[in-house]
Formats: sequence, C-alpha cells, structure tokens
Amino acid sequence: AIQMTQSPSSLSASVGDRAIITCRASQDIRNDLGWYQQKPGKAPKVLIYATSYLQSGVPSRFSGSGSGTDFTLTISGLQPEDFATYYCLQDYEYPLTFGGGTRVEIK
Amino acid sequence: QLQLQESGPGLVKPSETLSLTCTVSGGSISSRSYYWGWIRQPPGKGLEWIGTIYYSGSTNYNPSLKSRVTMSVDTSKNQFSLRLSSVTAADTAVYYCAGRQNYGSGRYGVDVWGQGTTVTVSS
Repeated sequence: AIQMTQSPSSLSASVGDRAIITCRASQDIRNDLGWYQQKPGKAPKVLIYATSYLQSGVPSRFSGSGSGTDFTLTISGLQPEDFATYYCLQDYEYPLTFGGGTRVEIK
Repeated sequence: QLQLQESGPGLVKPSETLSLTCTVSGGSISSRSYYWGWIRQPPGKGLEWIGTIYYSGSTNYNPSLKSRVTMSVDTSKNQFSLRLSSVTAADTAVYYCAGRQNYGSGRYGVDVWGQGTTVTVSS
C-alpha cells in the first residue's frame, strides 16, 4: 500500500497567519491527492481534490499544489473556523490511504 | 442533495460480526459517478479506508482487513452494507460511509459522508 507521510503532526498559529501542511507519498501518485478537514465529532469534508481543484463552496484561502510524491495544502489567512485537523488522501490506487493528520491549533 | 446515513448496532461482542448499513438519499446509489465506501476512525486516531463498492457490486478491500470484510449493495433499497467478522477491541471506531465522486478526467473526491456511527467492541 502507498504510505502517506503528513507533516507537521500539529501546528500552532494565529488568526490571519498562513499555514502550510505537506504530504509525501511513498511512490508517484501523479496528481491523485485530496485534502480533507475534520472538526471534532464531525465527518471529514473535502477541501481540495486532484491536488489543486477547490471543492465547490470552499473558501479560496485554501489552495493545493504539488505532483508526483510531494504535495502541499496552504491556508492563506487562517480564520477561526479553520482550526481543525487536516488529512491528505491518495486515490491513485487501492487501497486508498490517508496521511496521519495535522492538527491546526490556535496560538 | 445527496445524503448518507449509517445504521447498525453500537455494541458488538468480541469474535462476532459487525454489520452496518448506509442509506443513500437525495440521489441514486446506481449513479455511475459514485463509488461507495466505508472509512473508520478509532478513538483519537486517524482515518482508515476499509473498502469500496460500485453499484454493480464490484469491490476493493483494504488488504489489512480483506480476510474479514464483505461489502454489498442493494440498489432496490438504495443501500450498501459492511460486514466485518471476528471483531476485536481494535475494531472499536467511528465508522463512516462515504461517496467518492468521479468528476471526470481521472479526478476524484470523497464529497459526501455520513455523520458516522460509533461501534464499540466489548463483552
């Protein structure tokens, strides 16, 4: 199975800061990567699919980039509602695999 | 708007079989754009993909669970189901059903999720 290594595991930031989360795949996954936000007690929500496509209704402060094995989620100008846990998910091949998660906390 | 709802027992005894059903509303489970799946999350931990089923019945299971997992689809009821046999405490988790949409051109996103159901394995 493809291993997804996400970093950092947690980050502390202030409202208005830029947050950058990275995900590294154990093999080339082309652009087949999505980013998901999960708040406590809730199901995850897709933010970005296919590396850089913004899901409908998701604010433009979220952006994704990368290809092959290295990918980045950038949140430009953190808002209070963005404090959550973020996961990457490779859907290049089965079994689909998630990164370990990044918890974004308020500084 | 497509919605998913999990149902099933919240408590299962060790060595028994966990059975969950996901009901699809607001759309058809036979949509060619969607692959249906189950994902779980142990308490305080990350997400694990259990498996995927298409409306035709074709499946893909996580090799780590493959020997214990069976997924099925009932198009007449707009439902799909998960069975996980020989459960242990390690199977205690929140179980989500989800829909992975094919947006075209090889692009996919899991854009619809159930609210999740907590399953505890305990005697």
